[in-house]
Formats: sequence, C-alpha cells, structure tokens
Amino acid sequence: EAQVTQNPRYLITVTGKKLTVTCSQNMNHEYMSWYRQDPGLGLRQIYYSMNVEVTDKGDVPEGYKVSRKEKRNFPLILESPSPNQTSLYFCASSSAAGLAYNEQFFGPGTRLTVL
Amino acid sequence: EDQVTQSPEALRLQEGESSSLNCSYTVSGLRGLFWYRQDPGKGPEFLFTLYSAGEEKEKERLKATLTKKESFLHITAPKPEDSATYLCAVQKPQGAQKLVFGQGTRLTINP
Repeated sequence: EAQVTQNPRYLITVTGKKLTVTCSQNMNHEYMSWYRQDPGLGLRQIYYSMNVEVTDKGDVPEGYKVSRKEKRNFPLILESPSPNQTSLYFCASSSAAGLAYNEQFFGPGTRLTVL
Repeated sequence: EDQVTQSPEALRLQEGESSSLNCSYTVSGLRGLFWYRQDPGKGPEFLFTLYSAGEEKEKERLKATLTKKESFLHITAPKPEDSATYLCAVQKPQGAQKLVFGQGTRLTINP
C-alpha cells in the first residue's frame, strides 16, 4: 500500500530535550515536506526537500532541522524544543514532473506537546 | 504578502442542502490551486488541482472552479460522510514545493 508513515504519532516532551520525528514514504517520491498545523493558522511549511541531499526552508523553519540522506526518509529534528513548538506535524511527499506540481500525499500526523 | 483566505470558517448544512465554499488568494503568478479534505485526526487527502481560470473539476458530489482571484468548492446534495474540513492551497511561483494553505472550512452535514 502506498503511504507516508510518521513516528511517533504522539509525543510529550520537556523543553530542551532533543527529539526526532521520522517520516518515510514507499512511493519513490522525489519531493518531501514538513508542515505544522495550528488552530487559526492552518498548515504552514517548515522545510522541504527536492531530492536526496537537497533541502530548503519553508515559511517557518526556525527551531527545526531536517536531513535527506535517503530518498524514502525525511526526519524532522528539534534540537532544543520549546513550548511554542507544540503543534500537529505532517510529513508529505509527491512525485516530480518537471515544473508541474503533483498532489502531495500526507502522513497521519504527529501530535507534539512540549512542556 | 501571499495570502489564502477561506470562508466561511465553519458551515453546517442539512443532508441534501447544496452550498459552496470559497477560497480567495492574493498570490501573484499562481501556478496551481489545490483542494484537500481533512478528517479529524488524519492528514489532508487530495481532491483537486486547478491550473487556470475557467477550469472546473468534479468528483462525486464535489465540483471545484477557479477564477483569477478565487476558487469555489461546490457541494451538491451533501451526505453526512462529506463532513470534514476542506483546505485550499496555492502553489507559489518559486517552485513546485512552495505551498500556501488557507485556514480551512469546517463542514458539518446533519442527517
């Protein structure tokens, strides 16, 4: 089954404790993205990756890091989480088609609480 | 500043009562407009892509249309299973991965 998986699905942590949220897709997609979703603010892009070893900032990258060492994986790293990073996080992937855009497939989400 | 505004924020309809959701945008050089459906506790699910003014796409009870400044998602004779949050997103000129999402419209269909 074609899918995007995220782990963990739920996480409660404390300020300053480094954490990683994993994302994996089995569709051989070139593009992958991370979003956060907050009430009243909608989905906002954190980082995206065009392919292996190619990443770029989205609209809200502060406090986050990403890496793309393998095509299927795109982990999101919070080096020193703070309470304002409490949110619902989504990973997404899509295939490349030149300059055209193909629909993104979203993962099930990770609900993160930073105390 | 690029903006995507959806209205209304929430809409409650009776089963069979048709209506429309609005998505207005100020992104210049629009490359694509997308509609997604999001159920509680789940990731958004792709519905439609529209590329140029005048374009229309249909899927079951849903029809999406696009003008130069806004898009409408028309829902005809909705059923309770159409209850969800509907998200609109626009593709920025900078690249295929640059998307700006609206805040969504929470649709509830009462039986």
